[in-house]
Amino acid sequence: DQQVKQNSPSLSVQEGRISILNCDYTNSMFDYFLWYKKYPAEGPTFLISISSIKDKNEDGRFTVFLNKSAKHLSLHIVPSQPGDSAVYFCAASGPYSGGGADGLTFGKGTHLIIQP
Amino acid sequence: DGGITQSPKYLFRKEGQNVTLSCEQNLNHDAMYWYRQDPGQGLRLIYYSQIVNDFQKGDIAEGYSVSREKKESFPLTVTSAQKNPTAFYLCAASRWGQGNQPQHFGDGTRLSIL
Repeated sequence: DQQVKQNSPSLSVQEGRISILNCDYTNSMFDYFLWYKKYPAEGPTFLISISSIKDKNEDGRFTVFLNKSAKHLSLHIVPSQPGDSAVYFCAASGPYSGGGADGLTFGKGTHLIIQP
Repeated sequence: DGGITQSPKYLFRKEGQNVTLSCEQNLNHDAMYWYRQDPGQGLRLIYYSQIVNDFQKGDIAEGYSVSREKKESFPLTVTSAQKNPTAFYLCAASRWGQGNQPQHFGDGTRLSIL
């Protein structure tokens, strides 16, 4: 039973436009959410996170939105650049004991392709 | 240069053999983790450790063992009991006791069966 779902295996966006990656979760105990970017044969790179007490967090071109009632979060990348082409993973903290040093539960990832 | 070092990058195992994957960090982070990634899948948690000499099972701990004798090191042993060990293994570390903190990853070890 997948607790973190990324329903779009791939997404193609034109350079300069907005990329929106979506993620849904089922476990209401999750209280910390993260987005990672990953290239093949490399480890994931942390991009941005959000705590469940907030509904938006922004860092440069990256913004994460959290809708707790819908159990949905999204990552917006504006403007999209060729270097953004990668697999993006949504992850959530818990449900072992809440935030802090728990392991993460990952979605299966969305492959973002930025077209020139 | 601070970071998480995993070695080797590629590892081959014969049937019935135990192998140990190394993970070292110089970030002075308390918590360390091991994940496994299979093709087209997300990462799944194998084991994690919040402090030295203590570790907890994750979702898929069967066939694996770990130790945490030093803060900097968290080796993972893939035992012969793990029937499907071929995967990409990732080690991570994070701060602990300071609220929510992101995990930072090494570059992984790809394990294959001969």
